[in-house]
Amino acid sequence: GENVEQHPSTLSVQEGDSAVIKCTYSDSASNYFPWYKQELGKGPQLIIDIRSNVGEKKDQRIAVTLNKTAKHFSLHITETQPEDSAVYFCAASTGGFKTIFGAGTRLFVKA
Amino acid sequence: DAGITQSPRHKVTETGTPVTLRCHQTENHRYMYWYRQDPGHGLRLIHYSYGVKDTDKGEVSDGYSVSRSKTEDFLLTLESATSSQTSVYFCAISDNQVDEQYFGPGTRLTVT
Repeated sequence: GENVEQHPSTLSVQEGDSAVIKCTYSDSASNYFPWYKQELGKGPQLIIDIRSNVGEKKDQRIAVTLNKTAKHFSLHITETQPEDSAVYFCAASTGGFKTIFGAGTRLFVKA
Repeated sequence: DAGITQSPRHKVTETGTPVTLRCHQTENHRYMYWYRQDPGHGLRLIHYSYGVKDTDKGEVSDGYSVSRSKTEDFLLTLESATSSQTSVYFCAISDNQVDEQYFGPGTRLTVT
Protein backbone atom coordinates (compact mmCIF):
# COMPACT_ATOMS: atom_id res chain seq x y z
CA GLY A 1 0.00 0.00 0.00
CA GLU A 2 0.92 3.67 -0.06
CA ASN A 3 3.32 4.77 2.64
CA VAL A 4 5.46 7.61 3.95
CA GLU A 5 8.87 6.86 5.41
CA GLN A 6 10.33 9.34 7.88
CA HIS A 7 13.94 9.59 9.11
CA PRO A 8 15.48 9.77 11.59
CA SER A 9 13.19 8.41 14.31
CA THR A 10 15.17 10.31 16.95
CA LEU A 11 17.29 13.41 16.54
CA SER A 12 19.33 15.19 19.18
CA VAL A 13 20.92 18.59 18.48
CA GLN A 14 22.60 21.33 20.45
CA GLU A 15 20.68 24.56 20.94
CA GLY A 16 21.42 26.89 18.03
CA ASP A 17 22.22 24.09 15.60
CA SER A 18 20.03 23.11 12.64
CA ALA A 19 17.79 20.06 12.47
CA VAL A 20 16.71 18.26 9.32
CA ILE A 21 13.99 15.62 9.05
CA LYS A 22 13.46 13.76 5.80
CA CYS A 23 10.44 11.96 4.34
CA THR A 24 9.84 9.94 1.23
CA TYR A 25 6.43 9.04 -0.18
CA SER A 26 5.30 6.36 -2.59
CA ASP A 27 2.09 7.73 -4.13
CA SER A 28 3.04 9.91 -7.09
CA ALA A 29 -0.44 11.48 -6.98
CA SER A 30 0.36 13.14 -3.64
CA ASN A 31 0.05 16.89 -3.95
CA TYR A 32 -0.10 18.28 -0.40
CA PHE A 33 2.62 17.81 2.23
CA PRO A 34 1.95 19.10 5.76
CA TRP A 35 4.26 18.95 8.77
CA TYR A 36 2.91 18.65 12.29
CA LYS A 37 4.52 19.24 15.68
CA GLN A 38 3.22 17.29 18.65
CA GLU A 39 4.10 18.25 22.20
CA LEU A 40 3.67 15.84 25.08
CA GLY A 41 0.04 15.21 25.93
CA LYS A 42 -1.30 17.33 23.07
CA GLY A 43 -2.64 16.82 19.58
CA PRO A 44 -0.52 17.41 16.48
CA GLN A 45 -0.37 21.02 15.33
CA LEU A 46 0.33 22.12 11.77
CA ILE A 47 3.57 24.10 11.55
CA ILE A 48 4.13 24.38 7.81
CA ASP A 49 2.86 22.83 4.59
CA ILE A 50 3.77 22.77 0.93
CA ARG A 51 1.91 21.94 -2.24
CA SER A 52 3.25 20.10 -5.24
CA ASN A 53 3.57 23.21 -7.41
CA VAL A 54 6.12 24.74 -5.02
CA GLY A 55 9.69 23.58 -4.38
CA GLU A 56 10.42 25.41 -1.13
CA LYS A 57 8.58 27.35 1.54
CA LYS A 58 9.91 29.25 4.55
CA ASP A 59 8.34 30.58 7.72
CA GLN A 60 10.85 32.25 10.01
CA ARG A 61 13.14 29.47 11.33
CA ILE A 62 11.27 26.69 9.57
CA ALA A 63 11.53 25.66 5.92
CA VAL A 64 10.25 22.77 3.86
CA THR A 65 11.63 21.56 0.55
CA LEU A 66 9.98 19.24 -1.95
CA ASN A 67 11.55 17.15 -4.71
CA LYS A 68 8.67 15.64 -6.65
CA THR A 69 10.89 13.72 -9.01
CA ALA A 70 12.58 11.88 -6.16
CA LYS A 71 9.42 11.88 -4.01
CA HIS A 72 11.32 13.45 -1.14
CA PHE A 73 10.42 16.29 1.16
CA SER A 74 12.28 17.67 4.15
CA LEU A 75 11.77 19.90 7.17
CA HIS A 76 14.58 22.25 8.14
CA ILE A 77 14.67 24.02 11.50
CA THR A 78 17.43 26.58 11.98
CA GLU A 79 18.72 28.10 15.23
CA THR A 80 16.97 25.44 17.26
CA GLN A 81 15.65 26.30 20.70
CA PRO A 82 14.66 24.06 23.64
CA GLU A 83 10.99 24.74 22.91
CA ASP A 84 11.45 23.07 19.51
CA SER A 85 11.77 19.75 21.37
CA ALA A 86 8.75 17.66 20.32
CA VAL A 87 7.68 14.90 17.95
CA TYR A 88 7.40 15.95 14.31
CA PHE A 89 5.25 14.18 11.73
CA CYS A 90 5.35 14.53 7.98
CA ALA A 91 2.39 13.56 5.82
CA ALA A 92 1.50 13.22 2.18
CA SER A 93 -2.00 13.71 0.80
CA THR A 94 -3.70 13.20 -2.52
CA GLY A 95 -6.77 14.99 -1.28
CA GLY A 96 -9.98 13.00 -1.07
CA PHE A 97 -9.37 12.18 2.63
CA LYS A 98 -6.26 10.15 1.88
CA THR A 99 -3.50 11.53 4.10
CA ILE A 100 -0.67 9.17 5.01
CA PHE A 101 1.50 10.09 7.99
CA GLY A 102 5.10 9.22 8.69
CA ALA A 103 5.97 7.42 11.92
CA GLY A 104 7.37 10.57 13.54
CA THR A 105 10.72 12.03 14.63
CA ARG A 106 11.42 12.79 18.25
CA LEU A 107 13.59 15.93 18.35
CA PHE A 108 15.62 16.79 21.44
CA VAL A 109 17.24 20.23 21.63
CA LYS A 110 19.89 20.36 24.34
CA ALA A 111 20.43 23.67 26.06
CA ASP B 1 -6.70 23.19 19.62
CA ALA B 2 -8.88 25.07 17.12
CA GLY B 3 -12.18 24.73 18.97
CA ILE B 4 -12.09 20.95 19.22
CA THR B 5 -12.77 19.01 22.39
CA GLN B 6 -12.65 15.28 22.98
CA SER B 7 -14.25 13.33 25.78
CA PRO B 8 -13.31 11.51 27.80
CA ARG B 9 -9.60 12.40 27.83
CA HIS B 10 -8.67 9.14 29.52
CA LYS B 11 -10.53 5.86 29.80
CA VAL B 12 -9.75 2.39 31.07
CA THR B 13 -12.16 -0.34 30.09
CA GLU B 14 -12.33 -4.10 30.03
CA THR B 15 -12.16 -6.36 27.00
CA GLY B 16 -15.59 -6.94 25.49
CA THR B 17 -17.23 -3.74 26.73
CA PRO B 18 -18.60 -1.07 24.39
CA VAL B 19 -16.90 2.31 24.37
CA THR B 20 -17.92 5.60 22.78
CA LEU B 21 -15.57 8.52 22.29
CA ARG B 22 -16.91 11.96 21.48
CA CYS B 23 -15.48 14.76 19.39
CA HIS B 24 -17.08 18.19 19.50
CA GLN B 25 -16.12 21.18 17.32
CA THR B 26 -17.17 24.81 17.40
CA GLU B 27 -15.60 25.74 14.03
CA ASN B 28 -18.51 24.59 11.84
CA HIS B 29 -16.06 22.64 9.65
CA ARG B 30 -17.63 20.18 7.27
CA TYR B 31 -15.06 17.39 7.50
CA MET B 32 -14.24 15.38 10.61
CA TYR B 33 -11.84 12.49 11.13
CA TRP B 34 -10.92 9.88 13.70
CA TYR B 35 -7.30 8.69 13.89
CA ARG B 36 -5.46 6.36 16.18
CA GLN B 37 -1.85 6.92 17.16
CA ASP B 38 0.45 4.05 18.04
CA PRO B 39 4.24 3.99 18.48
CA GLY B 40 5.99 3.40 15.18
CA HIS B 41 2.83 3.95 13.13
CA GLY B 42 2.22 7.66 13.20
CA LEU B 43 -1.46 8.48 12.76
CA ARG B 44 -3.80 6.12 10.96
CA LEU B 45 -7.26 7.04 9.75
CA ILE B 46 -10.14 5.04 11.23
CA HIS B 47 -13.22 6.76 9.80
CA TYR B 48 -14.09 10.13 8.42
CA SER B 49 -17.18 12.23 7.77
CA TYR B 50 -17.90 14.63 4.95
CA GLY B 51 -21.20 15.89 6.30
CA VAL B 52 -24.07 15.10 8.64
CA LYS B 53 -24.85 11.39 8.36
CA ASP B 54 -22.17 11.03 5.66
CA THR B 55 -19.30 8.82 6.80
CA ASP B 56 -16.83 6.40 5.29
CA LYS B 57 -14.11 3.96 6.28
CA GLY B 58 -10.46 4.72 6.60
CA GLU B 59 -7.36 2.58 6.67
CA VAL B 60 -8.02 0.78 10.00
CA SER B 61 -11.81 0.69 10.39
CA ASP B 62 -12.34 -2.91 11.54
CA GLY B 63 -13.94 -3.00 15.00
CA TYR B 64 -15.01 0.66 14.89
CA SER B 65 -18.17 2.48 13.90
CA VAL B 66 -18.99 6.18 13.76
CA SER B 67 -21.97 8.47 13.71
CA ARG B 68 -22.50 12.11 12.93
CA SER B 69 -26.00 13.41 13.65
CA LYS B 70 -24.94 17.05 13.96
CA THR B 71 -22.27 19.13 12.28
CA GLU B 72 -20.46 19.68 15.55
CA ASP B 73 -20.35 16.12 16.90
CA PHE B 74 -18.59 13.00 15.63
CA LEU B 75 -18.79 9.84 17.72
CA LEU B 76 -16.46 6.85 17.55
CA THR B 77 -17.76 3.56 18.96
CA LEU B 78 -15.89 0.40 19.76
CA GLU B 79 -18.68 -2.17 19.86
CA SER B 80 -16.64 -4.71 21.83
CA ALA B 81 -13.27 -3.37 22.91
CA THR B 82 -10.14 -5.51 22.44
CA SER B 83 -6.64 -5.07 23.82
CA SER B 84 -5.40 -4.22 20.30
CA GLN B 85 -7.56 -1.09 20.47
CA THR B 86 -5.50 0.31 23.32
CA SER B 87 -4.25 3.53 21.76
CA VAL B 88 -4.46 7.30 21.72
CA TYR B 89 -7.37 8.50 19.61
CA PHE B 90 -7.38 11.87 17.90
CA CYS B 91 -10.23 13.70 16.27
CA ALA B 92 -9.45 16.17 13.50
CA ILE B 93 -11.45 18.66 11.47
CA SER B 94 -10.94 20.47 8.20
CA ASP B 95 -12.85 23.02 6.22
CA ASN B 96 -11.73 21.58 2.90
CA GLN B 97 -10.79 18.00 2.10
CA VAL B 98 -7.51 19.07 0.56
CA ASP B 99 -6.37 21.48 3.24
CA GLU B 100 -4.83 21.29 6.66
CA GLN B 101 -6.46 19.31 9.43
CA TYR B 102 -6.77 20.60 12.99
CA PHE B 103 -6.44 18.06 15.75
CA GLY B 104 -8.10 17.73 19.12
CA PRO B 105 -6.21 16.99 22.37
CA GLY B 106 -6.70 13.22 22.15
CA THR B 107 -8.23 10.43 24.23
CA ARG B 108 -6.00 7.82 25.81
CA LEU B 109 -7.89 4.50 25.84
CA THR B 110 -6.62 1.45 27.68
CA VAL B 111 -8.38 -1.88 27.21
CA THR B 112 -7.46 -4.42 29.91
